[in-house]
Amino acid sequence: AQKITQTQPGMFVQEKEAVTLDCTYDTSDQSYGLFWYKQPSSGEMIFLIYQGSYDEQNATEGRYSLNFQKARKSANLVISASQLGDSAMYFCAMREVQGTGRRALTFGSGTRLQVQP
Amino acid sequence: EPEVTQTPSHQVTQMGQEVILRCVPISNHLYFYWYRQILGQKVEFLVSFYNNEISEKSEIFDDQFSVERPDGSNFTLKIRSTKLEDSAMYFCASKGGGNQPQHFGDGTRLSIL
Repeated sequence: AQKITQTQPGMFVQEKEAVTLDCTYDTSDQSYGLFWYKQPSSGEMIFLIYQGSYDEQNATEGRYSLNFQKARKSANLVISASQLGDSAMYFCAMREVQGTGRRALTFGSGTRLQVQP
Repeated sequence: EPEVTQTPSHQVTQMGQEVILRCVPISNHLYFYWYRQILGQKVEFLVSFYNNEISEKSEIFDDQFSVERPDGSNFTLKIRSTKLEDSAMYFCASKGGGNQPQHFGDGTRLSIL
């Protein structure tokens, strides 16, 4: 079973508009972390935002916010006021702490976002 | 801002040859990782390293792979006898304690001919 599911292989958004990138996850752990990373065409992985499973408030970092709905096991990334430089691949990832004790990240398949002028 | 650095940025190697990918994690980080990303696919976990030993490895990380932290700064991934399917982008990442995020290097693109 997929641990992290990103159902949108590609998304388009007009510059200055907001866009939501979907992410659902599957875990039986009570304690876990959810992350979003950006991968521009140059290939590097850039950390954007983190949400802990026990955090009561949705995480925000500048123009990025995470819409965390624990009961639905979703952690959607919202980018407000899109910019041309936001065009990239976006990966949702999860770190499970209990169970195997694994601290590595499990990634989704990514969503390619293209911002149009 | 401190960053994870990886060298080389691109490595081309003949099949069957050994290759060593190098990483310098962020200096006060405690956890170190290698991931790989085959072109067009998702990022996959290979191995994690903590307290000078492997803490976990995936099924991809077979006997052809090894990791080492030979000194206080470098963290290396060795592939003993490369195969065509080892061609991928290899990312090193490091993390501090607690819920700190993993910070990734810019990756090494490995091409096996």
